[in-house]
Amino acid sequence: EDQVTQSPEALRLQEGESSSLNCSYTVSGLRGLFWYRQDPGKGPEFLFTLYSAGEEKEKERLKATLTKKESFLHITAPKPEDSATYLCAVPSYTSGTYKYIFGTGTRLKVLA
Amino acid sequence: NAGVTQTPKFRVLKTGQSMTLLCAQDMNHEYMYWYRQDPGMGLRLIHYSVGEGTTAKGEVPDGYNVSRLKKQNFLLGLESAAPSQTSVYFCASSPDSRLVSTDTQYFGPGTRLTVL
Repeated sequence: EDQVTQSPEALRLQEGESSSLNCSYTVSGLRGLFWYRQDPGKGPEFLFTLYSAGEEKEKERLKATLTKKESFLHITAPKPEDSATYLCAVPSYTSGTYKYIFGTGTRLKVLA
Repeated sequence: NAGVTQTPKFRVLKTGQSMTLLCAQDMNHEYMYWYRQDPGMGLRLIHYSVGEGTTAKGEVPDGYNVSRLKKQNFLLGLESAAPSQTSVYFCASSPDSRLVSTDTQYFGPGTRLTVL
């Protein structure tokens, strides 16, 4: 069964303290792994797409990497404005049925 | 561009009442989606559309209907609301483009629905 699991559920960092968020996935035929950021009371905002193992994408203090089983979102020297919930998702198209499977997210809080 | 907009932002219903949520996008996207987001369960796909006049079931379609009469609009209907449908509803759209993955979704701000 297609599945996405994110860890940890919540993470508190001091400003400048680097860390990584994990997204483990199981899907038949990877069409891409997507990272989104969601601020409280708002819809998810697209960050990155990764398509194949070994691929990396960067945006400001964020870097996403992909292996055959998981993806990491590395946050380098975070700032309070990086506080948000980070979601990963994988699309799946099996037996004529389309799914877009989201993990439950990692709630990141960066303290000044 | 306004992107993806949703109407209304908040709504309270009584059990058995009906309502329609409206999603509009001005990006000329082909694909549109409705999700619900519940604590501890993440976002779940309700219905989606791959073009004007088409709709398909997602992961949790029961109790909902949809229509896509115009390319820019995607409506989600609740015929007889139940407390289990209390949730935050998000609409999203994605392009049919060779430059951007068709699975890259752009989300609206959400509608918070409470069913009493």
